[in-house]
Amino acid sequence: AQKVTQAQTEISVVEKEDVTLDCVYETRDTTYYLFWYKQPPSGELVFLIRRNSFDEQNEISGRYSWNFQKSTSSFNFTITASQVVDSAVYFCALINFNKFYFGSGTKLNVKP
Amino acid sequence: NAGVTQTPKFQVLKTGQSMTLQCAQDMNHEYMSWYRQDPGMGLRLIHYSVGAGITDQGEVPNGYNVSRSTTEDFPLRLLSAAPSQTSVYFCASSYSSGGRETQYFGPGTRLLVL
Repeated sequence: AQKVTQAQTEISVVEKEDVTLDCVYETRDTTYYLFWYKQPPSGELVFLIRRNSFDEQNEISGRYSWNFQKSTSSFNFTITASQVVDSAVYFCALINFNKFYFGSGTKLNVKP
Repeated sequence: NAGVTQTPKFQVLKTGQSMTLQCAQDMNHEYMSWYRQDPGMGLRLIHYSVGAGITDQGEVPNGYNVSRSTTEDFPLRLLSAAPSQTSVYFCASSYSSGGRETQYFGPGTRLLVL
């Protein structure tokens, strides 16, 4: 069975703080893909990153970085120097054989 | 390029009524899917399609039907609406090119079943 767990329901930080959003997944398959999406208060879903199971290289994109560790089945997302515009719900997801499995999301509040 | 479009944006139904949520994409994506989003539960896959004429069930398919007669359109039908189907519905499409699959979501349809 596939499962994605985002244990942090809600996180509040002050602007310019760094924040890490945790994602732990379960799958018995060796080939799968992991995603992060952002859902701002306006409600749309914005794709952030995709990583396949054979690529454990960490990735950095501006203030965003992702740490993928197969040994711990984790795909954590770090925002450096957070900004108010980062306030949103962030979802981690796993795709396997065309089926997406989403975590329940982490709501990030960035206060000025 | 409109991306993924959904209509209507908001709908109120009475229990037992039927309706169709429309989804269209103009990116020639083969893969399309429907999700529902309920508070605190993330998104759950209802149905998906890997190409015209091919559909399959996701996690929560009961009470919903889909068809895929064209690459562009993937409507979701509620056969007999129930209050438990009150939710926000998202349609998505994606391609897989050299292993770089990216999924694009529509703006969502808010459905209230009374």
